[in-house]
Amino acid sequence: DTEVTQTPKHLVMGMTNKKSLKCEQHMGHRAMYWYKQKAKKPPELMFVYSYEKLSINESVPSRFSPECPNSSLLNLHLHALQPEDSALYLCASSWKADSPLHFGNGTRLTVT
Amino acid sequence: QQQVKQSPQSLIVQKGGISIINCAYENTAFDYFPWYQQFPGKGPALLIAIRPDVSEKKEGRFTISFNKSAKQFSLHIMDSQPGDSATYFCAASIEGETSGSRLTFGEGTQLTVNP
Repeated sequence: DTEVTQTPKHLVMGMTNKKSLKCEQHMGHRAMYWYKQKAKKPPELMFVYSYEKLSINESVPSRFSPECPNSSLLNLHLHALQPEDSALYLCASSWKADSPLHFGNGTRLTVT
Repeated sequence: QQQVKQSPQSLIVQKGGISIINCAYENTAFDYFPWYQQFPGKGPALLIAIRPDVSEKKEGRFTISFNKSAKQFSLHIMDSQPGDSATYFCAASIEGETSGSRLTFGEGTQLTVNP
C-alpha cells in the first residue's frame, strides 16, 4: 500500500456542492502536490506546497482551493465544479522540492 | 520545449518477451528521468530513474537506456510477466527546483503481457 493516503476514494458531487479532498503522509516529506489525471492521460500538475507554503499554482481555476494545514496534511477544497472537472485527483509528496515523487492512489471525482 | 514524446501508445508482448518503450525530450535542461508504472485504480509508482551522467541503469528486470546526444531514453522490461501489464509513463524534470518538482510526463504506454 502507498504511504500517501487519500480520502475519500470516490466522490460524487453536484455542481453546487462544496466538498474537500484530503491527503496525508507521515514520511516527513516537506513538499506536497496535487495532480489531476483524466482517463488514459498522464497526470497534470495543479499545485505544489513546499515547506507548507504554496510554491506552484499551474493557473488552476479558483473553484479549486488548496490548503496545507501542516507538513503532513494537504487538502483540496472544491466548489462550483463543472462536469469536465471529473477526473482522478492524485496527491503526491517528496522529501524536498526536487526529490522523487510518491503518489497516493487518488480520489475518483465525478461531477454531476 | 517542455514536451516529452513517448511511444508506442500501446504494446502487446508475450510472457517472457522483452518490452521496450521509448521517450524523446527537447529541453536540454532536463536532468532527471523517471519512469512510473500505474495499475488501474492506483496512483503512479516510481519504477526506476536515471540521471544523464550514466548511459544505463538496471534494477532487476527493468533497465533504462539513456542517449544524451540523441535526447532519448528507453525502458526495457526483460522476461515480461502478465503482472507487468500496466500503463507506463516516462517523465523528465530539472533537479534543483526549489519550488517543487515539475515533472513533464510522456503520454503513456499501455502494456499488455499475454500469458
